[in-house]
Amino acid sequence: QVLLVQSGAEVKKPGASVTVSCKASGYSFTSYAMHWVRQAPGQRLEWMGWIDTGNGNTEYSEKFQDRVTITRDTSATTVSMEMSSLRSEDTAVYYCARMATWTQLWLLAHWGQGTLVTVSS
Amino acid sequence: DIVMTQSPDSLVVSLGERATINCKSSQSVLHSSNNKNYLAWYQQRPGQPPKVLIYWASIRESGVPDRFSGSGSGTDFTLNISSLQAEDVAVYHCQQYNTSPPSFGGGTKVEIK
Repeated sequence: QVLLVQSGAEVKKPGASVTVSCKASGYSFTSYAMHWVRQAPGQRLEWMGWIDTGNGNTEYSEKFQDRVTITRDTSATTVSMEMSSLRSEDTAVYYCARMATWTQLWLLAHWGQGTLVTVSS
Repeated sequence: DIVMTQSPDSLVVSLGERATINCKSSQSVLHSSNNKNYLAWYQQRPGQPPKVLIYWASIRESGVPDRFSGSGSGTDFTLNISSLQAEDVAVYHCQQYNTSPPSFGGGTKVEIK
């Protein structure tokens, strides 16, 4: 079965960077795109970007374009999301989520367990 | 960008009663090429990630009980839970996946009376 296992919780100071990883198993890694979504306390789910795990191409939400980088390691079947210049408003649970199919690219069929990133001085 | 608006923000329903959640998109999510609505509903139980319940606005994901049903087209959509069970306590989110960036509604919290 599809399994997405994320790295553990992080506490960072404002201005720092954080990397969250997502280890995928149970399917052909390079056949399905991976997305990142975050959920800040009391806020709606917010899509951040996605990566084509086959060729490494990425697309980012305009909001995160300058601060987020999504990469993949095909040998490790792992996708990572790095966010820089962290501020308190970035405190949130970050999820990786696998697409459903290429005809439903942005339908998020499988989710990781979530990683809490806390930004505090 | 498409803005998704859900109502109500929260809902308190007795066990066995119907729960109805509405979702409105700022633009149509009906894809002209295949006449499908690119609208999904997710269930998020406390402390869990979201889980797809419904896609194409009305198709239940495999394993989802048939008390869950989705309807609507274009810009107006509804999720119905016909007979609320204790395990349905959750936040429900709608999402449009027609155009980038994909966007979510603000969520509706469903509780038991």
